[in-house]
Amino acid sequence: DAGVTQSPTHLIKTRGQQVTLRCSPKSGHDTVSWYQQALGQGPQFIFQYYEEEERQRGNFPDRFSGHQFPNYSSELNVNALWLGDSALYLCASSPAGTPRHGELFFGEGSRLTVL
Amino acid sequence: EDQVTQSPEALRLQEGESSSLNCSYTVSGLRGLFWYRQDPGKGPEFLFTLYSAGEEKEKERLKATLTKKESFLHITAPKPEDSATYLCAVRNTGGFKTIFGAGTRLFVKA
Repeated sequence: DAGVTQSPTHLIKTRGQQVTLRCSPKSGHDTVSWYQQALGQGPQFIFQYYEEEERQRGNFPDRFSGHQFPNYSSELNVNALWLGDSALYLCASSPAGTPRHGELFFGEGSRLTVL
Repeated sequence: EDQVTQSPEALRLQEGESSSLNCSYTVSGLRGLFWYRQDPGKGPEFLFTLYSAGEEKEKERLKATLTKKESFLHITAPKPEDSATYLCAVRNTGGFKTIFGAGTRLFVKA
């Protein structure tokens, strides 16, 4: 049973460019959350998708947007990249029907470097 | 605003030297408190969920406890393979996001 898979694992962009990160949730999971983790910090919540809708959003600008597809996979898009966007981007999925206090299953992350 | 503070930032132990990691939290209404382990370059791995003060959970050499303001992760007789960053997180009753602390980096020397 495959866990949460993310792609690409590493990428390098320059300031002003746009990036798309992809996530496939664990089998049986229907909820996907995205987190940004800067070096030496804990993960920061970006947003959560459920039933193809953004259910909750953290304190991130509109440059960060997302999408969830009918098969529950998800994309994170970041426009107008700047140096501060360099981080590990983590996707986490939750089981179908998860109560609000359910645990998260994380992927290995996508390491984004902005030059 | 909901907040999680972990201490110490880093902890160096000798193999077999037991210790505790602290997680102080402020949350409008606690739905759950979580502990995760994160190895370098990897995503966090779930360890425990605690729901109410007085609750305890154990897994191998790890034991998590919860009060109304803090959680402790006790590590008994650690081994080098326990070296990792341990993250504490909370979820409140009003939303869907999980709020993480900055973590404690644990180094266990043989």
